[in-house]
Amino acid sequence: AAGVIQSPRHLIKEKRETATLKCYPIPRHDTVYWYQQGPGQDPQFLISFYEKMQSDKGSIPDRFSAQQFSDYHSELNMSSLELGDSALYFCASSFARYEQYFGPGTRLTVT
Amino acid sequence: KQEVTQIPAALSVPEGENLVLNCSFTDSAIYNLQWFRQDPGKGLTSLLLIQSSQREQTSGRLNASLDKSSGRSTLYIAASQPGDSATYLCAVSGQAGTALIFGKGTTLSVSS
Repeated sequence: AAGVIQSPRHLIKEKRETATLKCYPIPRHDTVYWYQQGPGQDPQFLISFYEKMQSDKGSIPDRFSAQQFSDYHSELNMSSLELGDSALYFCASSFARYEQYFGPGTRLTVT
Repeated sequence: KQEVTQIPAALSVPEGENLVLNCSFTDSAIYNLQWFRQDPGKGLTSLLLIQSSQREQTSGRLNASLDKSSGRSTLYIAASQPGDSATYLCAVSGQAGTALIFGKGTTLSVSS
């Protein structure tokens, strides 16, 4: 069965640089969610999109922005990166707002 | 504000034991509850989802129960195996399509 695809899987950036993470949801899923998991922490919700419109917003810094495109893939844009942004970033998708299926994550390291 | 607590934080058992992981949440007005498994540095694998109207769900050696009124869920793992070693996370959502609120997880180690 198709799963959520995230790219890249690993990313190394320097402070103050920008990063773009991509998420391709399971086909026919209409909702995409982004979560951030810091080292030793539980996942924290950032933002979600339903049918290409922002549907919910969590603790997403103003330096971050996201959108969902017409083909339902989503991108998380992160600017002015800080050391504290180093984390695993997960994308999840769901159909009709039901069970969330998570991707393998993108490990971002900021040096 | 919804808070999710998992007890214990870590658990070590010998192979073959049956075990129970606990999850509690402060706001009983949940839409659903999901149990996940996470291997170190890896993604989240959904194990079981329980809708707020359900009392339990089963998948293989796993059984999850939900008592919404008391704000509790348990994950029962039968006949544990070394391959079950991982962190188990409980998460709840308040409404359809909204964010999952996670507990900090229980790290399980099963020794052979």
